[in-house]
Amino acid sequence: AQTVTQSQPEMSVQEAETVTLSCTYDTSENNYYLFWYKQPPSRQMILVIRQEAYKQQNATENRFSVNFQKAAKSFSLKISDSQLGDTAMYFCAFMTKDDKIIFGKGTRLHILP
Amino acid sequence: SAVISQKPSRDICQRGTSLTIQCQVDSQVTMMFWYRQQPGQSLTLIATANQGSEATYESGFVIDKFPISRPNLTFSTLTVSNMSPEDSSIYLCSAGGNKETQYFGPGTRLLVL
Repeated sequence: AQTVTQSQPEMSVQEAETVTLSCTYDTSENNYYLFWYKQPPSRQMILVIRQEAYKQQNATENRFSVNFQKAAKSFSLKISDSQLGDTAMYFCAFMTKDDKIIFGKGTRLHILP
Repeated sequence: SAVISQKPSRDICQRGTSLTIQCQVDSQVTMMFWYRQQPGQSLTLIATANQGSEATYESGFVIDKFPISRPNLTFSTLTVSNMSPEDSSIYLCSAGGNKETQYFGPGTRLLVL
């Protein structure tokens, strides 16, 4: 069975700093998709970034980038120049072959002024 | 990206009653899903809502407790039946399919007294 592990329950960083959120996963599949979702206090789940496992190039989206290490089954999220609006719960997620999403337990990120 | 709405956004219900949550997508989608997010927890998949056929439930969730309908490619309902305080959660629907990114509705916050 696929699992997603986020080892950092909570993190705090100063505004404008860079922060990296860790995620590891376990699967026997070779082609799959990984995501980072953000859930601010409003509770809306917002897609941050998506990575296809068959692509070696790490995905980037403005200030957000990932470090995807397929052999190590690692998928960390880097947030550069962090902003107060980045304060949220961040979920790492794995999409199974039948499109179901498995979420990690989340990392609560606080951006401090 | 799909825009997803849910109704109601929140409700307070009495023990033993049932609540039906509606999920509307602004475009036709292949797959729709229902998730539960208990207080302070991650998202757990309840079931896949199949258009024109019975939903596919995950382990620990049954049709009698969580009946689901999906009459067309843009709409689904989830009913939480015979509610107890343990059903107090946020219920979210998502839409996607064919390995496309899943987008989430804003959630329905349910409190059972």
